[in-house]
Amino acid sequence: GENVEQHPSTLSVQEGDSAVIKCTYSDSASNYFPWYKQELGKGPQLIIDIRSNVGEKKDQRIAVTLNKTAKHFSLHITETQPEDSAVYFCAASKDSGYALNFGKGTSLLVTP
Amino acid sequence: EPEVTQTPSHQVTQMGQEVILRCVPISNHLYFYWYRQILGQKVEFLVSFYNNEISEKSEIFDDQFSVERPDGSNFTLKIRSTKLEDSAMYFCASKVINNQPQHFGDGTRLSIL
Repeated sequence: GENVEQHPSTLSVQEGDSAVIKCTYSDSASNYFPWYKQELGKGPQLIIDIRSNVGEKKDQRIAVTLNKTAKHFSLHITETQPEDSAVYFCAASKDSGYALNFGKGTSLLVTP
Repeated sequence: EPEVTQTPSHQVTQMGQEVILRCVPISNHLYFYWYRQILGQKVEFLVSFYNNEISEKSEIFDDQFSVERPDGSNFTLKIRSTKLEDSAMYFCASKVINNQPQHFGDGTRLSIL
């Protein structure tokens, strides 16, 4: 089955800096890659997703890149703010209708 | 913005007892999911449900688990005889059609004593 690895497990950045979280996946059939943000006491909230026919997608300060050949994808957050502090999960699946296989999560701390 | 609603937020149950976790998916959504997250571990898929039947399930989803959509709004997960290792956060998710993302509820924390 699909195995998603996520790094780093914790990340601390200064406000205004950029943060990058990386994930790799094992199943070449995976073609849908969402990123979720989880705040304390809340469920995962989708922040951006990308499909395998696209190499990059951007939404304001958040971008995701995908390298299908290398089977890795990354989340980039620019101009980080304290409210970006949360746990971020990457996931992969054959399609958005199928089971999401999650990474272990990255705890991001943005310090003022 | 419509939300997936889960109740209760925290459920405490004695080992061996049955427990039912409830979810109200977003009203026009057609695909429903349960995931769980053991403390400190990754979110794990349990089961997906579409058109009144299970469409996919993981190895975790054994005979002790069942799902039901008893009416037009609720989606439930039943654990027949709970074990200590069932203690986890259980998340319900739903989505409207096949190429749209899954939206998650805030979860039910299940504690087995």
